[in-house]
Amino acid sequence: DAGITQSPRYKITETGRQVTLMCHQTWSHSYMFWYRQDLGHGLRLIYYSAAADITDKGEVPDGYVVSRSKTENFPLTLESATRSQTSVYFCASSDIRKAYGYTFGSGTRLTVV
Amino acid sequence: AQTVTQSQPEMSVQEAETVTLSCTYDTSESNYYLFWYKQPPSRQMILVIRQEAYKQQNATENRFSVNFQKAAKSFSLKISDSQLGDTAMYFCAFMMIGNNNDMRFGAGTRLTVKP
Repeated sequence: DAGITQSPRYKITETGRQVTLMCHQTWSHSYMFWYRQDLGHGLRLIYYSAAADITDKGEVPDGYVVSRSKTENFPLTLESATRSQTSVYFCASSDIRKAYGYTFGSGTRLTVV
Repeated sequence: AQTVTQSQPEMSVQEAETVTLSCTYDTSESNYYLFWYKQPPSRQMILVIRQEAYKQQNATENRFSVNFQKAAKSFSLKISDSQLGDTAMYFCAFMMIGNNNDMRFGAGTRLTVKP
C-alpha cells in the first residue's frame, strides 16, 4: 500500500537496550520527521531530514540517532533506552513545499521498563 | 521560538451541537501556515483543516471552520453539528514558510461528543 508505514506498532524494551523504530514512505517526499507524543506536551520534534543523507536535530534529540541512506526510509534508534523515552513515536513526511502539512504514520508505542 | 497554546485540555459537547476549540500562537513572522489535526483513539493523525496566514478568508471544510485572527494570533476551530465520530484529540499546529522550518504543536484538546 502506498503511504507511510511505521513498525513496530508496539514495543516493550528494557532500560539500556538499543531499539530501532522503522519508518518507510512511498511518496518520494523530500522531508521526513520523527516526533514523540507525551501527555501535556503535544508532539515534539526529535529529528528531521530534508533529503537522503541530510539530517538535523529538532527540539528533543538527546538519546536518539537517525540515518537516511535512502529517500524512503528514516529509522530512529534509541542507543541506550531510558524510561523517560517511554512515549508514542510518530514518523511523518512532506513534500518540499510543506504547504499541505505533514502526512503521519500510525505511530509506535514504546515502553521502556 | 514559536509556541502554540491550547488552553482547553478537555471539552465536551452534545451530539448535533456546535463547539469551538481555542488556539493561540506566538510568532514575529508574517508568513506561515496553521493547521488543525485530529487524533481519534486509533492514534492516526488526520489533517482537518489548514490556513495560510496571508489569506484573510477563514478556511472551511464541511462541518469544520476556523476563526483566524492574525493580529490577535488566534486560530480557533469550530465544529458544527458534532458527531460521535468527532470524539478525538485535536492538535493545533504552526509552521513558518520555508524549507528549514518544522511544525510546532500545541498540547492538544481532548473532545468528547456525548449522545
